[in-house]
Amino acid sequence: QLQLQESGPGLVKPSETLSLICTVSGRSIRSSPFYWGWIRQPPGKGLEWIGNIYYSGSVFYNPSLRSRVSISTDVSENHFSLNLGSVTAADTAVYYCARQRFSPQSFYDGSDDAFDIWGQGKIVTVSS
Amino acid sequence: SSELTQDPAVSVALGQTVRITCQGDSLRTYYASWYQQKPGQAPLLVFYGKNNRPSGIPDRFSGSSSGNTASLTITGTQAEDEADYYCCSRDKTGDQKVFGGGTKLTIL
Repeated sequence: QLQLQESGPGLVKPSETLSLICTVSGRSIRSSPFYWGWIRQPPGKGLEWIGNIYYSGSVFYNPSLRSRVSISTDVSENHFSLNLGSVTAADTAVYYCARQRFSPQSFYDGSDDAFDIWGQGKIVTVSS
Repeated sequence: SSELTQDPAVSVALGQTVRITCQGDSLRTYYASWYQQKPGQAPLLVFYGKNNRPSGIPDRFSGSSSGNTASLTITGTQAEDEADYYCCSRDKTGDQKVFGGGTKLTIL
């Protein structure tokens, strides 16, 4: 059974880099057709997509975060990572990792696009 | 600001039917996916694409799309359906994903 688990520091100082890992168990991160993504949710607010990555390295970022964010994969460890630099209090949130399914048709009409498996979430607070 | 717009709150009487909507220009091209989130829990996929319901999701959940609007319909709502619901789709470029602001569903 596929499971995703976020890990990393729960407290980050302002101006530093937030680093999280999502460990995938039960299936190889190389499996297709799936992207691997990060989504966050500030306290009391809605969901915000951060970015997606394919195991081969193709990556897509939220334009509002692109200058500060980096997502990478480690196929040997079967995990993918999030780095968000120059954090402020506005980056305080629950950070989720998720698997996104897709199909060739998705590129035309979004059919089969869905975050079908989610991690439990990691609360990250930015504070000195 | 979100490129997908949802009503912040909707209420429905127990056992009745409710439609939760999501509007955005990108929905003229791309289907939406829908997520249910209960307090303290991760989101749960409940419907996606033209007509896809994940295994284990009750068939009272259905989706549709017309023009710039995607809809999630819950037929015969149950008390356990009280939750926040989010739509998600691609943006107009097709490369990024975007979530709606969410709809809080209250069961009366």
